[in-house]
Amino acid sequence: GQQVMQIPQYQHVQEGEDFTTYCNSSTTLSNIQWYKQRPGGHPVFLIQLVKSGEVKKQKRLTFQFGEAKKNSSLHITATQTTDVGTYFCAGRASKIIFGSGTRLSIRP
Amino acid sequence: DTEVTQTPKHLVMGMTNKKSLKCEQHMGHRAMYWYKQKAKKPPELMFVYSYEKLSINESVPSRFSPECPNSSLLNLHLHALQPEDSALYLCASSRLGNTEAFFGQGTRLTVV
Repeated sequence: GQQVMQIPQYQHVQEGEDFTTYCNSSTTLSNIQWYKQRPGGHPVFLIQLVKSGEVKKQKRLTFQFGEAKKNSSLHITATQTTDVGTYFCAGRASKIIFGSGTRLSIRP
Repeated sequence: DTEVTQTPKHLVMGMTNKKSLKCEQHMGHRAMYWYKQKAKKPPELMFVYSYEKLSINESVPSRFSPECPNSSLLNLHLHALQPEDSALYLCASSRLGNTEAFFGQGTRLTVV
């Protein structure tokens, strides 16, 4: 069945360092979405990627969708304490499945 | 209004109780969802409603019974739950098609 894997599970960085999380699907996706969930909060939509090879930027965040539409990445440049939370990808093939998430913590 | 409102925020229930979770949105979204999220895990899809009709049931046990009374409301009726059903239950809504989902704050359910 459709599976979406996400690595790493945890990432602890010094404030100002960069951060990247990777998402890999067992099947070709029609699109992929990224969500952020703060501790004790609910998932909040960040972005959706649809096209093969697509790259989108939101300030310090850069999102990529692989050429084969089976993988994606989120890169944060110069992390800030407000970036703390769990980042989930959610891939849509026959249905939408959330990746396992990457929990980002930051040392001030 | 870009909010999805869920009530109650917290619920403690016994295994013989019957309770309901409620979700409301006024964004005109015609797709609504129930997710279950255990601690440190991703949200797991339970049910999807499209145009007030159940379109997806992810093999959820019958002790969970969804209901969509109208295009703005979504309920989840709970009966004879087990302690392992304790989790954060999230409601979400979206426009139909492959679009972003707006999540509510969730109901944190504890079954004792």
